[in-house]
Amino acid sequence: DAKTTQPPSMDCAEGRAANLPCNHSTISGNEYVYWYRQIHSQGPQYIIHGLKNNETNEMASLIITEDRKSSTLILPHATLRDTAVYYCIVRVAEVTGYGQNFVFGPGTRLSVLP
Amino acid sequence: ETGVTQTPRHLVMGMTNKKSLKCEQHLGHNAMYWYKQSAKKPLELMFVYNFKEQTENNSVPSRFSPECPNSSHLFLHLHTLQPEDSALYLCASSQLLGRASEQFFGPGTRLTVL
Repeated sequence: DAKTTQPPSMDCAEGRAANLPCNHSTISGNEYVYWYRQIHSQGPQYIIHGLKNNETNEMASLIITEDRKSSTLILPHATLRDTAVYYCIVRVAEVTGYGQNFVFGPGTRLSVLP
Repeated sequence: ETGVTQTPRHLVMGMTNKKSLKCEQHLGHNAMYWYKQSAKKPLELMFVYNFKEQTENNSVPSRFSPECPNSSHLFLHLHTLQPEDSALYLCASSQLLGRASEQFFGPGTRLTVL
């Protein structure tokens, strides 16, 4: 089972920041938070991941709370092409055994509106 | 070709047919994965291969038979499928299974079983 909880859907105005929340209250100390997105009928695309520090790359920023029980993915200036399903996944960085690979939940369907 | 490619992109088959899905990665990765995405359901991991060796099989029915002849190619052989097997089949690869910070996904094969 997925270890994260996300709202099923969100809307965001084009050009505004999209803030996608994720709860992972049972996260373990060695588990990272990963974000992927899936544009309709395409393969998922990696966005960003982090352990406990905030992370930023060319696509997005990841803010992780101090207790690591929740995080927020921020798309600073959402465009229509950012409309997709966004998945928050927790997983160990080093897979050493069965069942440690990514488990995708239902995600959040983000609609960027003109 | 770059990234992860999958062929065919669309496939329609009868329940008595035998067909194969092909995945090829041009990233120099050593781990490859098959996922299934049914309509309105999360991605489900089916098989994992690490250095050509199968390391995970998530209770997939025997009518799905994977083959990994080398680290760059992955096949999914299909026979006597059921209509409920209709789905988007996604292939992914990562550099190393153990320290896979991200998986790169192909565009998927949309399979329809009649």
